[in-house]
Amino acid sequence: EAQVTQNPRYLITVTGKKLTVTCSQNMNHEYMSWYRQDPGLGLRQIYYSMNVEVTDKGDVPEGYKVSRKEKRNFPLILESPSPNQTSLYFCASSLRQGAGYGYTFGSGTRLTVV
Amino acid sequence: DQQVKQNSPSLSVQEGRISILNCDYTNSMFDYFLWYKKYPAEGPTFLISISSIKDKNEDGRFTVFLNKSAKHLSLHIVPSQPGDSAVYFCAARLNTGNQFYFGTGTSLTVIP
Repeated sequence: EAQVTQNPRYLITVTGKKLTVTCSQNMNHEYMSWYRQDPGLGLRQIYYSMNVEVTDKGDVPEGYKVSRKEKRNFPLILESPSPNQTSLYFCASSLRQGAGYGYTFGSGTRLTVV
Repeated sequence: DQQVKQNSPSLSVQEGRISILNCDYTNSMFDYFLWYKKYPAEGPTFLISISSIKDKNEDGRFTVFLNKSAKHLSLHIVPSQPGDSAVYFCAARLNTGNQFYFGTGTSLTVIP
């Protein structure tokens, strides 16, 4: 089944403890992206990648890192999580860019930082 | 500052009638627009998109209209079905890279 898989689905952690949210897609998509969803703010793009080793900042990159060493994987790294990073996170991928090509989203990771 | 705005947090429509969801944007550098549908506990699902050089795109029951002079787009669902009940997000891509901006969503309820 074509899909974007994120792990874990739920995570509670403490301030300052490094964590990684994994994202993997099995569709050979070039483009991948991370978003966070917060009440009243919609989805905001954190980072995106246009191919292996090509990443760039989205709208809200502060406090996050990403890497794209292989086409299928795009992990999101929080080196020192803080409570304001408590949010619902989505990974997404797309074959191409342009009208007609939407992103396929994962099911989300709900992160709580205490 | 929200570059893509959905000013109606919710909308209720009778089954069989038309649902119209609206979206406004501020940046003239967006080159295409998308609509996504989201059910609880799932990720958004891509519905339909439109290039900035077009004014209408249709796919089955879903039609998106773009009014560039007003910086406004709308999604029409005809006829509305109970399974259409979900949160709908509009999104736009900046033509200078691969940055996407999303609205805050409109929760549609289709009443049987």
